[in-house]
Amino acid sequence: IAGITQAPTSQILAAGRRMTLRCTQDMRHNAMYWYRQDLGLGLRLIHYSNTAGTTGKGEVPDGYSVSRANTDDFPLTLASAVPSQTSVYFCASSDFGSGELFFGEGSRLTVL
Amino acid sequence: GESVGLHLPTLSVQEGDNSIINCAYSNSASDYFIWYKQESGKGPQFIIDIRSNMDKRQGQRVTVLLNKTVKHLSLQIAATQPGDSAVYFCAEMKAHGSSNTGKLIFGQGTTLQVKP
Repeated sequence: IAGITQAPTSQILAAGRRMTLRCTQDMRHNAMYWYRQDLGLGLRLIHYSNTAGTTGKGEVPDGYSVSRANTDDFPLTLASAVPSQTSVYFCASSDFGSGELFFGEGSRLTVL
Repeated sequence: GESVGLHLPTLSVQEGDNSIINCAYSNSASDYFIWYKQESGKGPQFIIDIRSNMDKRQGQRVTVLLNKTVKHLSLQIAATQPGDSAVYFCAEMKAHGSSNTGKLIFGQGTTLQVKP
């Protein structure tokens, strides 16, 4: 069982480019999340989805968009990357309302 | 507003000693609290959780204490081992009856260093 799969593992991106981080889960969880992790700032919620077809904004949603067309996939898109979006991005999933989130291994994104 | 913070950024303990990691939260509406462990280069991993109708919950070598009066929770690790070295995060959620249900907000983390 793979759990949560994120891709790419690492990416260097020029500012202004569009980038999509992929996230797939095989646990049939209805809730999925995107967090970014920066040194000294912990994990901050970008967007979340409580069930397929719905999404919500987290603490730091600006510059990011998500979609939840089905249960398994929850891609995160940076429409026009900026250097402040350099971070490690974690995707997670859970049963709705559960605090037991299952995290992926992270995607390290560097925007130059 | 919501904020979850930790009292100390780094905690260093001797192997075999007990560790206590503290966390303060400010959102009185939160009713569900969770501790996560993150090892270097990996995603966070669930350790233990506690609902607001409880003061204490025990797991294997870990205990979480919740003091709602002062909005404080702690994670106690018994007989700390080198494998416990990691960053520990507390997190909070409003579990029911809110538009924020399901949004898990994390604190900044405490690094636990275990000395052999």
